[in-house]
Amino acid sequence: DGGITQSPKYLFRKEGQNVTLSCEQNLNHDAMYWYRQDPGQGLRLIYYSQIVNDFQKGDIAEGYSVSREKKESFPLTVTSAQKNPTAFYLCASSIGQRDGYTFGSGTRLTVV
Amino acid sequence: QKEVEQDPGPLSVPEGAIVSLNCTYSNSAFQYFMWYRQYSRKGPELLMYTYSSGNKEDGRFTAQVDKSSKYISLFIRDSQPSDSATYLCAMSATSYDKVIFGPGTSLSVIP
Repeated sequence: DGGITQSPKYLFRKEGQNVTLSCEQNLNHDAMYWYRQDPGQGLRLIYYSQIVNDFQKGDIAEGYSVSREKKESFPLTVTSAQKNPTAFYLCASSIGQRDGYTFGSGTRLTVV
Repeated sequence: QKEVEQDPGPLSVPEGAIVSLNCTYSNSAFQYFMWYRQYSRKGPELLMYTYSSGNKEDGRFTAQVDKSSKYISLFIRDSQPSDSATYLCAMSATSYDKVIFGPGTSLSVIP
């Protein structure tokens, strides 16, 4: 079945460490997105990519970095510069708006 | 004022009730409107997609858009315990524009 796979499901990070969240899709979608979800807030866009080797900052890109070397993969690195990284991170992909976004199951990151 | 607002709930209803979930928005340029359902510790899944004003029905779900009032609704008929989830509205100005999500409304359907 086609879909988006995010790993790991749970991730713990020590202060000062960088961590990388994986996102892989086999839907042949060109566009991929990273969102952050906090309680009581809507999904906030971190980065997005509409084509391989190209990506743009979203609304809250500071402290995060991404790469898009393959169509299927869009990993997100949470750097030590991100001051409040504890959150639920969601990866999504789309062909276009009419089909909506397909989301992964998310990664819950906790700073310890 | 946030671009998209939703009552966070929680909303608790008995099984079989009609549920009304609502969002208001401030940007009159929005034309594409979506509803997503998110179960606990899962990613959202697309429920309904509508363009411009009007109604759209899919089984027990009806999406309604009133652009003049900047107000959208999702109605769930004959609600079931399996409908218990958080419902997120989302919208954008064009088909390839950034999508803005509401904070979500938590719904519990009690057997």
